[in-house]
Amino acid sequence: NAGVTQTPKFQVLKTGQSMTLQCAQDMNHNSMYWYRQDPGMGLRLIYYSASEGTTDKGEVPNGYNVSRLNKREFSLRLESAAPSQTSVYFCASRYLTRDQLETQYFGPGTRLLVL
Amino acid sequence: TQLLEQSPQFLSIQEGENLTVYCNSSSVFSSLQWYRQEPGEGPVLLVTVVTGGEVKKLKRLTFQFGDARKDSSLHITAAQPGDTGLYLCLGEDDYKLSFGAGTTVTVRA
Repeated sequence: NAGVTQTPKFQVLKTGQSMTLQCAQDMNHNSMYWYRQDPGMGLRLIYYSASEGTTDKGEVPNGYNVSRLNKREFSLRLESAAPSQTSVYFCASRYLTRDQLETQYFGPGTRLLVL
Repeated sequence: TQLLEQSPQFLSIQEGENLTVYCNSSSVFSSLQWYRQEPGEGPVLLVTVVTGGEVKKLKRLTFQFGDARKDSSLHITAAQPGDTGLYLCLGEDDYKLSFGAGTTVTVRA
């Protein structure tokens, strides 16, 4: 049981290049999330998927697209990277415990530098 | 602007001292979660509180959810170097999730 995995761990891009960040979870959770974390700003929600086949915008969706490929995988795509997208990206999956408490599991993060 | 305000932003204390971190908002949340994040890793859930006035204890950590479900606090008793990390609160209301900016806690041996 690997939990939430993210690839790659690190990436350097030039302005204008595109890339896809991959996320997978093996816990059979319905909901998955993409966040970015910048110094002094906590984590900000980019997109989320409440269930397979659905995606919704979060707080900072501009410049990003997502795909919920199946229940396990939720990818984040940068079509034309900009220096403002330099950040650490976290994927998370979420479920409701038996006590009806929301619980999120986070991946280890992808560190992205856009030059 | 951050929907959830955390204070203080930084906290440095000596081992054995107590500390309290606050998370405040003008919005009502259906639940509030506390996470700890260590450098180079993703946040790890500590606790979820859902009922106004609720108090939860996790060993030396005590979490409180305000009566109006707009604020929360995290109190650590007799802090240890292993408590060092970034503490984040997350408020949720109907799939809308808002993180606070975090409190960086350093416990000196």
